[in-house]
Amino acid sequence: NAGVMQNPRHLVRRRGQEARLRCSPMKGHSHVYWYRQLPEEGLKFMVYLQKENIIDESGMPKERFSAEFPKEGPSILRIQQVVRGDSAAYFCASSPYGNTIYFGEGSWLTVV
Amino acid sequence: AQTVTQSQPEMSVQEAETVTLSCTYDTSESNYYLFWYKQPPSRQMILVIRQEAYKQQNATENRFSVNFQKAAKSFSLKISDSQLGDTAMYFCAFIMNRDDKIIFGKGTRLHILP
Repeated sequence: NAGVMQNPRHLVRRRGQEARLRCSPMKGHSHVYWYRQLPEEGLKFMVYLQKENIIDESGMPKERFSAEFPKEGPSILRIQQVVRGDSAAYFCASSPYGNTIYFGEGSWLTVV
Repeated sequence: AQTVTQSQPEMSVQEAETVTLSCTYDTSESNYYLFWYKQPPSRQMILVIRQEAYKQQNATENRFSVNFQKAAKSFSLKISDSQLGDTAMYFCAFIMNRDDKIIFGKGTRLHILP
């Protein structure tokens, strides 16, 4: 059973461009979480999704950030008009029931 | 609101020694799950150990064990016979027993010295 798959692992974007991060949960998992980790800091919750539904987006910045988890295909975290402060590691995690979550290896976004 | 506190930002121990990492949490719920995650220099998040709040028995995974004190809302991690590969950030985490987000502490950076 493959783990949580994230791509790209590394992404470089110029200020003002869009970044799209993809996450394929483990087989059979219907819950997806996105977390952000700034350098030398802990993980900050961004959004929690189930198939076609956003359950909790209390950690998402109000502007430029969006997430989706369609019925078919991976979950996508989209950041529009990136700024230097968006540079971080973005971790996706999935779970079958919501009480144990397994992380992907992270996507590192660098904004230049 | 639920919170998780790790009071030790950084620790160092000699290889083969035993080390305990502290974690306290705050919740009004009675059913929940607690976790320790390890983040080595590769920065992958690895689940170390998991504890259900309704179980009185402390969870154990090989050299890793927890001391779960529900009344005190304490959940410490003990690493026995520490190894160089245990060098990592360790995060304590909490989730309630229903659909909800997992909440992390700020982490403890552990150095195992040769």
